[in-house]
Amino acid sequence: ETGVTQTPRHLVMGMTNKKSLKCEQHLGHNAMYWYKQSAKKPLELMFVYNFKEQTENNSVPSRFSPECPNSSHLFLHLHTLQPEDSALYLCASSQDPQEGETQYFGPGTRLLVL
Amino acid sequence: DAKTTQPTSMDCAEGRAANLPCNHSTISGNEYVYWYRQIHSQGPQYIIHGLKNNETNEMASLIITEDRKSSTLILPHATLRDTAVYYCIVRRRHNDMRFGAGTRLTVKP
Repeated sequence: ETGVTQTPRHLVMGMTNKKSLKCEQHLGHNAMYWYKQSAKKPLELMFVYNFKEQTENNSVPSRFSPECPNSSHLFLHLHTLQPEDSALYLCASSQDPQEGETQYFGPGTRLLVL
Repeated sequence: DAKTTQPTSMDCAEGRAANLPCNHSTISGNEYVYWYRQIHSQGPQYIIHGLKNNETNEMASLIITEDRKSSTLILPHATLRDTAVYYCIVRRRHNDMRFGAGTRLTVKP
C-alpha cells in the first residue's frame, strides 16, 4: 500500500461512453499526476496538479479531461475515446513540487476501449 | 534530464544478491538517481533514491560511483516476489519521471 488508491481497477468502455477514473491520496501531498502506460511503451506524463491548480498538460487530447477538486482527489474524465487509448492509467502524488521529490504511484486503472 | 542505460534483462537466484547496473554518463550536478520497480500490471513502486552518497533502506542499497556516471541497485537477498521491471531514472524537475524500458529481473528458485 502506497497511500494512493485508484478506482476502478479495470474498466471496459465503448467509444461513445463517458466514464471517470478516480484517484485519492492519503499522504497529505500537494501535487498529483496522471500518467499513461501503453503496452511496451514507457510511462507518459499526462497532467500535473499542484495545490489543485493544473501546472502541466503534455499535449493530451481533449477527450481526456482532468479535475482536481482538492489536494487529495484527482479525476480523469473520459469521453469519445479511441481503441488506441487502451492502457494502464496511473495516478501519482508527491509532497511538494520541489526538485527531487519522490512520487508515489497508485495501482492503476486498466482501461480497454472497444 | 540525463538519459539512462540499463540491461534489458537479468536473472538472479533466489536468496542471492541482485545487482542491477545503470549508466547515466550525462548526469548533471543537481540531478537525483531514482529507482522504481513495476510488478506486472501494477503501479510503479518507489525503491530508493540518492544524489551523491550511497543510500540504504529496508528494501535495497544504492551505490553511486564517485563521478556519478553510473549506479547500482542492490537487492541483498532476492526473493521470487522481487521479480519485476526495475527502472533507473535521473531527474531534476519534480514532474519529469521519464521511465525508460528498464531491466526485467527474474528471480529463479
